[in-house]
Amino acid sequence: AQSVAQPEDQVNVAEGNPLTVKCTYSVSGNPYLFWYVQYPNRGLQFLLKYITGDNLVKGSYGFEAEFNKSQTSFHLKKPSALVSDSALYFCAVRDRADSSYKLIFGSGTRLLVRP
Amino acid sequence: AAGVIQSPRHLIKEKRETATLKCYPIPRHDTVYWYQQGPGQDPQFLISFYEKMQSDKGSIPDRFSAQQFSDYHSELNMSSLELGDSALYFCASSLGQVDTGELFFGEGSRLTVL
Repeated sequence: AQSVAQPEDQVNVAEGNPLTVKCTYSVSGNPYLFWYVQYPNRGLQFLLKYITGDNLVKGSYGFEAEFNKSQTSFHLKKPSALVSDSALYFCAVRDRADSSYKLIFGSGTRLLVRP
Repeated sequence: AAGVIQSPRHLIKEKRETATLKCYPIPRHDTVYWYQQGPGQDPQFLISFYEKMQSDKGSIPDRFSAQQFSDYHSELNMSSLELGDSALYFCASSLGQVDTGELFFGEGSRLTVL
Protein backbone atom coordinates (compact mmCIF):
# COMPACT_ATOMS: atom_id res chain seq x y z
CA ALA A 1 0.00 0.00 0.00
CA GLN A 2 1.11 3.52 -0.75
CA SER A 3 1.60 6.10 1.97
CA VAL A 4 3.10 9.53 2.43
CA ALA A 5 4.45 11.05 5.61
CA GLN A 6 4.91 14.74 6.28
CA PRO A 7 6.52 14.77 9.71
CA GLU A 8 6.06 18.48 10.41
CA ASP A 9 2.63 19.96 11.05
CA GLN A 10 4.03 23.45 10.67
CA VAL A 11 7.21 25.06 9.40
CA ASN A 12 8.12 28.60 10.38
CA VAL A 13 10.66 30.61 8.43
CA ALA A 14 11.60 34.26 8.06
CA GLU A 15 11.10 35.97 4.74
CA GLY A 16 14.20 35.76 2.59
CA ASN A 17 15.46 32.61 4.29
CA PRO A 18 15.52 29.20 2.61
CA LEU A 19 12.69 26.83 3.39
CA THR A 20 12.34 23.06 3.41
CA VAL A 21 9.12 21.07 3.77
CA LYS A 22 9.79 17.39 4.35
CA CYS A 23 8.10 14.40 2.74
CA THR A 24 8.85 10.70 2.83
CA TYR A 25 6.96 8.01 0.97
CA SER A 26 6.33 4.28 0.94
CA VAL A 27 5.33 2.38 -2.20
CA SER A 28 5.68 -1.18 -3.38
CA GLY A 29 7.07 -0.13 -6.76
CA ASN A 30 8.69 3.02 -8.04
CA PRO A 31 6.94 6.28 -7.22
CA TYR A 32 5.61 9.24 -9.04
CA LEU A 33 5.77 12.14 -6.58
CA PHE A 34 3.88 15.43 -6.50
CA TRP A 35 3.65 18.60 -4.45
CA TYR A 36 0.47 20.66 -4.18
CA VAL A 37 -0.25 23.92 -2.35
CA GLN A 38 -3.58 24.90 -0.81
CA TYR A 39 -4.54 28.43 0.18
CA PRO A 40 -7.43 28.96 2.64
CA ASN A 41 -10.78 27.81 1.27
CA ARG A 42 -9.25 27.07 -2.12
CA GLY A 43 -8.51 23.98 -4.16
CA LEU A 44 -5.16 22.27 -4.42
CA GLN A 45 -2.75 23.80 -6.91
CA PHE A 46 -0.10 21.70 -8.60
CA LEU A 47 3.49 22.83 -7.89
CA LEU A 48 5.77 20.18 -9.33
CA LYS A 49 6.26 16.47 -9.92
CA TYR A 50 9.00 13.86 -10.16
CA ILE A 51 8.54 11.23 -12.83
CA THR A 52 12.01 10.13 -13.83
CA GLY A 53 15.43 11.53 -14.66
CA ASP A 54 17.08 14.38 -12.80
CA ASN A 55 16.51 14.07 -9.07
CA LEU A 56 16.12 17.84 -8.70
CA VAL A 57 12.79 19.01 -10.03
CA LYS A 58 11.91 22.66 -10.54
CA GLY A 59 8.35 23.87 -10.35
CA SER A 60 6.10 26.89 -10.02
CA TYR A 61 6.80 30.02 -7.96
CA GLY A 62 10.49 29.21 -7.52
CA PHE A 63 9.90 25.94 -5.68
CA GLU A 64 11.99 22.86 -6.27
CA ALA A 65 12.11 19.37 -4.82
CA GLU A 66 14.79 16.72 -4.56
CA PHE A 67 14.01 13.06 -5.03
CA ASN A 68 16.18 10.77 -2.91
CA LYS A 69 15.51 7.12 -3.59
CA SER A 70 17.73 5.74 -0.84
CA GLN A 71 16.01 7.88 1.77
CA THR A 72 12.57 7.57 0.10
CA SER A 73 12.20 11.32 0.40
CA PHE A 74 10.94 14.14 -1.76
CA HIS A 75 11.54 17.35 0.20
CA LEU A 76 10.18 20.65 -1.10
CA LYS A 77 12.59 23.57 -1.08
CA LYS A 78 12.82 27.23 -1.95
CA PRO A 79 16.01 29.32 -1.71
CA SER A 80 14.27 32.48 -0.50
CA ALA A 81 10.84 32.39 1.14
CA LEU A 82 8.13 35.01 0.57
CA VAL A 83 5.33 35.93 2.95
CA SER A 84 2.93 34.99 0.13
CA ASP A 85 4.27 31.42 0.27
CA SER A 86 2.40 30.94 3.55
CA ALA A 87 -0.07 28.14 2.85
CA LEU A 88 -0.74 24.44 3.35
CA TYR A 89 1.52 22.11 1.38
CA PHE A 90 0.69 18.54 0.49
CA CYS A 91 3.00 15.86 -0.80
CA ALA A 92 1.38 13.09 -2.85
CA VAL A 93 2.43 9.77 -4.38
CA ARG A 94 1.28 7.47 -7.10
CA ASP A 95 2.73 3.95 -7.23
CA ARG A 96 3.83 2.88 -10.71
CA ALA A 97 3.06 -0.72 -9.76
CA ASP A 98 -0.50 0.20 -8.87
CA SER A 99 -3.08 0.06 -11.63
CA SER A 100 -4.91 2.94 -10.00
CA TYR A 101 -4.22 6.51 -11.05
CA LYS A 102 -5.33 8.21 -7.86
CA LEU A 103 -2.96 10.26 -5.75
CA ILE A 104 -2.39 9.49 -2.09
CA PHE A 105 -1.77 12.60 -0.03
CA GLY A 106 0.24 13.24 3.09
CA SER A 107 -1.23 14.99 6.11
CA GLY A 108 -0.04 18.40 4.98
CA THR A 109 2.43 20.91 6.37
CA ARG A 110 1.47 24.47 7.14
CA LEU A 111 4.16 26.90 6.07
CA LEU A 112 4.25 30.23 7.87
CA VAL A 113 6.62 32.85 6.49
CA ARG A 114 7.00 35.81 8.80
CA PRO A 115 7.99 39.25 7.51
CA ALA B 1 -7.54 28.56 -19.24
CA ALA B 2 -10.67 26.74 -18.17
CA GLY B 3 -10.43 24.97 -14.83
CA VAL B 4 -12.42 22.36 -12.98
CA ILE B 5 -15.80 23.77 -11.98
CA GLN B 6 -17.61 22.55 -8.90
CA SER B 7 -21.08 23.45 -7.71
CA PRO B 8 -22.41 24.42 -5.35
CA ARG B 9 -19.48 26.03 -3.56
CA HIS B 10 -21.30 25.90 -0.24
CA LEU B 11 -24.12 23.67 0.92
CA ILE B 12 -25.88 23.41 4.26
CA LYS B 13 -28.01 20.37 5.00
CA GLU B 14 -29.74 18.78 7.98
CA LYS B 15 -28.97 15.29 9.23
CA ARG B 16 -30.60 12.53 7.19
CA GLU B 17 -31.06 14.80 4.19
CA THR B 18 -29.54 14.22 0.78
CA ALA B 19 -27.08 16.32 -1.20
CA THR B 20 -25.73 16.31 -4.73
CA LEU B 21 -22.42 17.84 -5.76
CA LYS B 22 -21.52 18.49 -9.36
CA CYS B 23 -18.17 18.58 -11.10
CA TYR B 24 -17.36 19.82 -14.59
CA PRO B 25 -13.85 18.73 -15.62
CA ILE B 26 -11.44 20.69 -17.75
CA PRO B 27 -12.54 20.43 -21.42
CA ARG B 28 -11.27 17.19 -23.04
CA HIS B 29 -10.45 15.65 -19.66
CA ASP B 30 -12.12 12.26 -19.45
CA THR B 31 -11.11 11.21 -15.93
CA VAL B 32 -12.67 12.54 -12.75
CA TYR B 33 -11.64 11.94 -9.13
CA TRP B 34 -13.56 12.80 -5.96
CA TYR B 35 -11.79 13.56 -2.68
CA GLN B 36 -13.10 14.41 0.78
CA GLN B 37 -11.13 16.72 3.06
CA GLY B 38 -12.28 16.95 6.66
CA PRO B 39 -11.29 19.89 8.89
CA GLY B 40 -7.52 19.88 9.30
CA GLN B 41 -7.23 16.63 7.36
CA ASP B 42 -5.55 15.55 4.16
CA PRO B 43 -7.71 14.86 1.10
CA GLN B 44 -9.06 11.31 1.15
CA PHE B 45 -9.79 9.58 -2.15
CA LEU B 46 -13.42 8.56 -2.61
CA ILE B 47 -13.95 7.38 -6.17
CA SER B 48 -12.85 7.94 -9.75
CA PHE B 49 -14.28 7.56 -13.24
CA TYR B 50 -12.68 7.11 -16.63
CA GLU B 51 -14.74 7.34 -19.79
CA LYS B 52 -17.96 7.17 -17.77
CA MET B 53 -16.99 3.96 -16.01
CA GLN B 54 -15.91 3.67 -12.39
CA SER B 55 -12.16 3.16 -12.42
CA ASP B 56 -11.28 3.03 -8.74
CA LYS B 57 -12.97 3.14 -5.38
CA GLY B 58 -11.62 4.38 -2.09
CA SER B 59 -13.14 5.08 1.28
CA ILE B 60 -16.54 6.08 -0.02
CA PRO B 61 -19.47 5.27 2.31
CA ASP B 62 -22.27 3.08 0.97
CA ARG B 63 -24.58 6.08 1.47
CA PHE B 64 -22.69 7.88 -1.27
CA SER B 65 -22.86 7.17 -4.98
CA ALA B 66 -21.42 8.86 -8.01
CA GLN B 67 -21.49 8.71 -11.75
CA GLN B 68 -19.92 10.30 -14.79
CA PHE B 69 -22.15 11.41 -17.63
CA SER B 70 -21.71 11.45 -21.41
CA ASP B 71 -20.38 15.01 -21.31
CA TYR B 72 -17.82 13.82 -18.69
CA HIS B 73 -19.26 15.85 -15.86
CA SER B 74 -19.70 13.94 -12.63
CA GLU B 75 -22.12 14.04 -9.73
CA LEU B 76 -21.61 12.84 -6.17
CA ASN B 77 -24.85 11.90 -4.45
CA MET B 78 -24.89 11.71 -0.68
CA SER B 79 -27.85 10.35 1.25
CA SER B 80 -28.75 9.98 4.94
CA LEU B 81 -26.27 12.72 5.74
CA GLU B 82 -24.42 12.54 9.03
CA LEU B 83 -22.60 15.23 11.00
CA GLY B 84 -19.33 13.56 10.08
CA ASP B 85 -19.97 14.16 6.39
CA SER B 86 -19.26 17.85 6.92
CA ALA B 87 -16.17 18.44 4.82
CA LEU B 88 -14.71 20.04 1.75
CA TYR B 89 -15.33 17.86 -1.29
CA PHE B 90 -12.90 18.21 -4.15
CA CYS B 91 -13.22 17.09 -7.68
CA ALA B 92 -10.13 16.69 -9.84
CA SER B 93 -9.73 15.84 -13.49
CA SER B 94 -7.05 14.54 -15.80
CA LEU B 95 -6.67 13.60 -19.43
CA GLY B 96 -6.71 9.84 -19.79
CA GLN B 97 -5.31 7.23 -17.47
CA VAL B 98 -1.79 8.63 -17.59
CA ASP B 99 0.23 7.65 -14.58
CA THR B 100 2.68 10.51 -15.01
CA GLY B 101 -0.02 13.15 -15.12
CA GLU B 102 -0.96 15.51 -12.34
CA LEU B 103 -4.54 16.03 -11.25
CA PHE B 104 -6.21 19.39 -11.67
CA PHE B 105 -8.43 20.30 -8.74
CA GLY B 106 -11.54 22.41 -8.48
CA GLU B 107 -12.14 24.95 -5.73
CA GLY B 108 -14.19 22.45 -3.76
CA SER B 109 -17.72 22.24 -2.39
CA ARG B 110 -18.04 22.85 1.33
CA LEU B 111 -20.78 20.72 2.85
CA THR B 112 -22.03 21.53 6.34
CA VAL B 113 -24.38 19.06 7.98
CA LEU B 114 -26.32 20.44 10.96
